[in-house]
Amino acid sequence: EAQVTQNPRYLITVTGKKLTVTCSQNMNHEYMSWYRQDPGLGLRQIYYSMNVEVTDKGDVPEGYKVSRKEKRNFPLILESPSPNQTSLYFCASKYRGPNTEAFFGQGTRLTVV
Amino acid sequence: GENVEQHPSTLSVQEGDSAVIKCTYSDSASNYFPWYKQELGKGPQLIIDIRSNVGEKKDQRIAVTLNKTAKHFSLHITETQPEDSAVYFCAASGGGDGGSQGNLIFGKGTKLSVKP
Repeated sequence: EAQVTQNPRYLITVTGKKLTVTCSQNMNHEYMSWYRQDPGLGLRQIYYSMNVEVTDKGDVPEGYKVSRKEKRNFPLILESPSPNQTSLYFCASKYRGPNTEAFFGQGTRLTVV
Repeated sequence: GENVEQHPSTLSVQEGDSAVIKCTYSDSASNYFPWYKQELGKGPQLIIDIRSNVGEKKDQRIAVTLNKTAKHFSLHITETQPEDSAVYFCAASGGGDGGSQGNLIFGKGTKLSVKP
C-alpha cells in the first residue's frame, strides 16, 4: 500500500531534550516536506526537499533541522525543543514536478513542556 | 516566494446548501492549484485539482474554478452533506525558480461545518 509513515504519532517531551520525528514513504517520490499545523495558522512549511541531499527552508525553519540522505526518509530534528514548538506536524511526499499530488502522513502531535 | 490567501476561515451551511471557498495567489508563474480535505485526526487528502490551462473542473458535487488574470481560484461544493464537514486547504505550485517549481504552498484552511 502506498503510504507516508510518521513516527511517533504522539510525543510529550521536555524543553531542551533533542528529538527526531521520522517520515518514510514507499512511493519513490523525489519531493518531501514538513509542515506544522496550528489553530488559525493552517499548514506552515518548515523544510522541504526536492531530492536526495537537497533541502530548502520553508516559512518557519527556525529551531528545526532536516536531512535527506535517502530518497524514502526525511527526518525532522528538534535539537533543543521549546514550548512554542508544541504543534501538529505533517510530512508529505510527491513526485517533484509541479502538477503532482502530495500524500500526507497521519501526523505527529508533539507537546513540549 | 508564493503566498496563498484563503477565505473564509470558517464556514457554516445547512445540509443541502452550497459552499464556496476562495483563494488568491501571488506568483503569476504558478500553474497548478489543488484542494485538500482534512478530516478530524487525519492528514490532508487531495479532492480535486486544476491546471492553469483550464478554467473549470467538476467532479460530482465539487468543482473548482480558476481565474488566472485575477490570480484567484475557488472551490464549490453543491448539495452539501454532513460528511463534507472538514477543513479544506487550497494550494499552489509551479512558481518560483527552477529548483523549487514543484514546491507546494498552502492557504490557511477553511473549517466547513454542515448542519443537518
